[in-house]
Amino acid sequence: DAGITQSPRHKVTETGTPVTLRCHQTENHRYMYWYRQDPGHGLRLIHYSYGVKDTDKGEVSDGYSVSRSKTEDFLLTLESATSSQTSVYFCAISQAGGLGTQYFGPGTRLTVL
Amino acid sequence: TQLLEQSPQFLSIQEGENLTVYCNSSSVFSSLQWYRQEPGEGPVLLVTVVTGGEVKKLKRLTFQFGDARKDSSLHITAAQPGDTGLYLCAGGTNTGNQFYFGTGTSLTVIP
Repeated sequence: DAGITQSPRHKVTETGTPVTLRCHQTENHRYMYWYRQDPGHGLRLIHYSYGVKDTDKGEVSDGYSVSRSKTEDFLLTLESATSSQTSVYFCAISQAGGLGTQYFGPGTRLTVL
Repeated sequence: TQLLEQSPQFLSIQEGENLTVYCNSSSVFSSLQWYRQEPGEGPVLLVTVVTGGEVKKLKRLTFQFGDARKDSSLHITAAQPGDTGLYLCAGGTNTGNQFYFGTGTSLTVIP
């Protein structure tokens, strides 16, 4: 199994509060991704990173920001959480971007009340 | 933008039956992955196919990549309850860094 951890695994927060989710990898993969998974929508890309300090937006990036200050860590921040951001968040890594294969973390279940 | 269509969306079958799940697109992909996801866990990679017409077998699972690299299928022979889960296909391209996921097929195998 690829060495990917996510923290926290579960979080309940209130509308308007900031939230940061962390993804940590031990595989030294260049690419890292944040997805959200909701019933009926499958996995949707929020943001991804193609190197330290290099990030780009995905399909559903509004309301989210990311940072990658070192290879092994990719942070997802909800500046002011809303109930529509209640979801399961998955981090993934890939050695070769769209030409390679992704490996997923265990997920973070976020509930915004 | 949803580039990959999976069918069927839901499938409930008896143990021992065969089934096929389809993943179709109008776009060409340089690689196509299949994942299985169980409740409360992240998707787990089953296979990656990269060559048009490629067929890969993983025990009772057979994966095929279309000749034009626009579609793929997953065939399960003699399904078992342990095959129950959400099956996801994902395509990657050589013009970007992203993967595009299908909406998934939820499979239930009844003992």
